[in-house]
Amino acid sequence: DAGVIQSPRHEVTEMGQEVTLRCKPISGHNSLFWYRQTMMRGLELLIYFNNNVPIDDSGMPEDRFSAKMPNASFSTLKIQPSEPRDSAVYFCASSLGENTIYFGEGSWLTVV
Amino acid sequence: KQEVTQIPAALSVPEGENLVLNCSFTDSAIYNLQWFRQDPGKGLTSLLLIQSSQREQTSGRLNASLDKSSGRSTLYIAASQPGDSATYLCAVSTGNQFYFGTGTSLTVIP
Repeated sequence: DAGVIQSPRHEVTEMGQEVTLRCKPISGHNSLFWYRQTMMRGLELLIYFNNNVPIDDSGMPEDRFSAKMPNASFSTLKIQPSEPRDSAVYFCASSLGENTIYFGEGSWLTVV
Repeated sequence: KQEVTQIPAALSVPEGENLVLNCSFTDSAIYNLQWFRQDPGKGLTSLLLIQSSQREQTSGRLNASLDKSSGRSTLYIAASQPGDSATYLCAVSTGNQFYFGTGTSLTVIP
């Protein structure tokens, strides 16, 4: 398997623009996670899905953030409108039950 | 809510030294504990997974231990090498949720 695939790897956007991050989990995994990592706050869980259903979105910072998982092989994290403080690395990860969690390479977002 | 702490935040050692990284968690009701490695600009790579019923796991020069009752885990790295330089994170699983520590940044000096 190719692992968890994220796109884009890097994005630079202007404040106020919409940002869409994409993730393809490992085939057969039933849980998908979106994390945000910054130097100040470390790795924060934003939202996770189980069997395509959002289970816990309490980590989503504001209404500007939304996530969807229309099917078992695809998820998006959208920020609209984006702000400079959203600059971070956004990781998607997937797992099967309580087994090992696998991370993608991350999407490096810079909002100027 | 589960809280995971890693001490120290940073560690610098000369090559060849054995070292221990620490991880503590507040709720002992866990399914498993994992240790990850993160290189700059990269994602997290799983190193070792310890199930809640296990006491330790070994992989090469790495040995991870788990003491659920005291809420602690250690990652022992033997004969450290410059290539071991990275950030090491631990994470505990409580079913479908994973809780991460803030990591220990390790530098192995040649």
